[in-house]
Amino acid sequence: ELKVEQNPLFLSMQEGKNYTIYCNYSTTSDRLYWYRQDPGKSLESLFVLLSNGAVKQEGRLMASLDTKARLSTLHITAAVHDLSATYFCAVGWTGTASKLTFGTGTRLQVTL
Amino acid sequence: NAGVTQTPKFRVLKTGQSMTLLCAQDMNHEYMYWYRQDPGMGLRLIHYSVGEGTTAKGEVPDGYNVSRLKKQNFLLGLESAAPSQTSVYFCASRGTSANEQFFGPGTRLTVL
Repeated sequence: ELKVEQNPLFLSMQEGKNYTIYCNYSTTSDRLYWYRQDPGKSLESLFVLLSNGAVKQEGRLMASLDTKARLSTLHITAAVHDLSATYFCAVGWTGTASKLTFGTGTRLQVTL
Repeated sequence: NAGVTQTPKFRVLKTGQSMTLLCAQDMNHEYMYWYRQDPGMGLRLIHYSVGEGTTAKGEVPDGYNVSRLKKQNFLLGLESAAPSQTSVYFCASRGTSANEQFFGPGTRLTVL
């Protein structure tokens, strides 16, 4: 059974600080997704990582994938309040109807 | 282009009542999915469909039924609602050549 673990589950950080969210998964996968969810809202796609060593950046967020370690990271640089949200990673595969298995999420709170 | 829409947005049921949640997409996507999200947890797959007329069980299918009579619609039914089915339900769709799922706005269901 595939397990996807995120840590930390909750992260309170000050504006301007850097931090990393980790996503570990238990079986091989060929794609890894990061989503953002604001309270009461739907999921917004942030990154799609399709190969070992993939790195993608958008603004203050950077995601990377190490398929050998079964690990993805979401790095936050110089956090701002607008980044406060819950972040989910999800693991998927081609050839399986593209089903996704989600992590439990990391609730990020950026304080002034 | 509305993307993925869900009806209704909110619903309160009494234990034992039945209801159907409707998901519609206008992107001509082959794959469609129903997830539930509970507090402090990631999304869990209930049922999914790889094409019109086909459905399959996901991770947590008990107590739910689905139908995909038309390519653009995916219905989720609760025949006899239970308090354990209180949750936020998300629908998603994906094209066969796309790399990601697109999510609807969600339906918040409360079963008393």
